[in-house]
Amino acid sequence: KNQVEQSPQSLIILEGKNCTLQCNYTVSPFSNLRWYKQDTGRGPVSLTIMTFSENTKSNGRYTATLDADTKQSSLHITASQLSDSASYICVVRVNDYKLSFGAGTTVTVRA
Amino acid sequence: KAGVTQTPRYLIKTRGQQVTLSCSPISGHRSVSWYQQTPGQGLQFLFEYFSETQRNKGNFPGRFSGRQFSNSRSEMNVSTLELGDSALYLCASSPFVQGEYGYTFGSGTRLTVV
Repeated sequence: KNQVEQSPQSLIILEGKNCTLQCNYTVSPFSNLRWYKQDTGRGPVSLTIMTFSENTKSNGRYTATLDADTKQSSLHITASQLSDSASYICVVRVNDYKLSFGAGTTVTVRA
Repeated sequence: KAGVTQTPRYLIKTRGQQVTLSCSPISGHRSVSWYQQTPGQGLQFLFEYFSETQRNKGNFPGRFSGRQFSNSRSEMNVSTLELGDSALYLCASSPFVQGEYGYTFGSGTRLTVV
């Protein structure tokens, strides 16, 4: 069973709308959590990174939140654009180096 | 500065053949990690090289191997290819081992085994 679960698996939203992606993890001990954006046919690009003590981190229209107590993170996309169509991957780094990857959420933004 | 460069971008091989993929990290980065990405499994860690030494290894069979050169460039080799090896192979570079300051990914090599 994957230690990092993302939901939904995919979603479709209209341009200009907001959406929220979820990431629940069970790995321990926790070092940091990253959200990556991966365009089709490209490598993942880091959007945000949060450590145990951080609750919110923003990068433009992307805002990530972290609740280390419940081991949940979310990525909120505001005023979506067509270029936001991509796969979003949650990656948790454990203290002893191991990285655990979520399977990703595929976002499709339609005009 | 230039990003992580992977070559070739696309590759078609026949079952039983072997293949070598190349990765040039960002200048100054000494760590190179390799990942396999498939629709069903997502990103899976293959191995990491730092200063020409393999530092970490994922759960892949011995058919998957790699090496790193003194200029930090890395190659990954897959021998006796199987249909299930069809995937996007990504490499990521980092200044230090274990990606403590994050990774920068290349665009990947799309390998198709027929």
